[in-house]
Amino acid sequence: DAGVTQSPTHLIKTRGQQVTLRCSPKSGHDTVSWYQQALGQGPQFIFQYYEEEERQRGNFPDRFSGHQFPNYSSELNVNALLLGDSALYLCASSMSTGNYQETQYFGPGTRLLVL
Amino acid sequence: LAKTTQPISMDSYEGQEVNITCSHNNIATNDYITWYQQFPSQGPRFIIQGYKTKVTNEVASLFIPADRKSSTLSLPRVSLSDTAVYYCLVGGLTGGFKTIFGAGTRLFVKA
Repeated sequence: DAGVTQSPTHLIKTRGQQVTLRCSPKSGHDTVSWYQQALGQGPQFIFQYYEEEERQRGNFPDRFSGHQFPNYSSELNVNALLLGDSALYLCASSMSTGNYQETQYFGPGTRLLVL
Repeated sequence: LAKTTQPISMDSYEGQEVNITCSHNNIATNDYITWYQQFPSQGPRFIIQGYKTKVTNEVASLFIPADRKSSTLSLPRVSLSDTAVYYCLVGGLTGGFKTIFGAGTRLFVKA
């Protein structure tokens, strides 16, 4: 049973460019969350997708957008990249339970470097 | 969403039991407490989750007092491979679907 997978593993972009990161959830999971983790800090919640819609959003600008497909996979798009967007981007999947805090399973992340 | 406070770092030796305490004074009635482990350049890994009293699994125990304003993650007989950052999270559907990570506790296990 494959866990959460993310692609690409590493990415180098320049300021102003756009980037798309991809995530495939763990088998049986229907919910995908995205996090940004700067070096030495805890992951920061970007947003969560469920039933192909954004269900919750953290304190991130509109340059960060996402999408969830019918097969539950998801994309994170970041426009007009800034140097400060350099980070490890984590995808986490879970099964929506509706009655308690869902356990999230994280992928290995995509390391984005903006030059 | 309840804020959590953990020690920034801890040191231990191989074979010792390690207890990491997390404070969450504003925990809500429906909130659960969850601990994750993270190694460098990897995604966090679920360790254990609980609501009250004690929960034990194959890797750790979680102790939650009656007032639920704190919790303690207990790692029995740590090894060098337990060197990692440990995050305490508190939340549930009452706080929306966000998951808020704090700075975590950096555990360093020495030989």
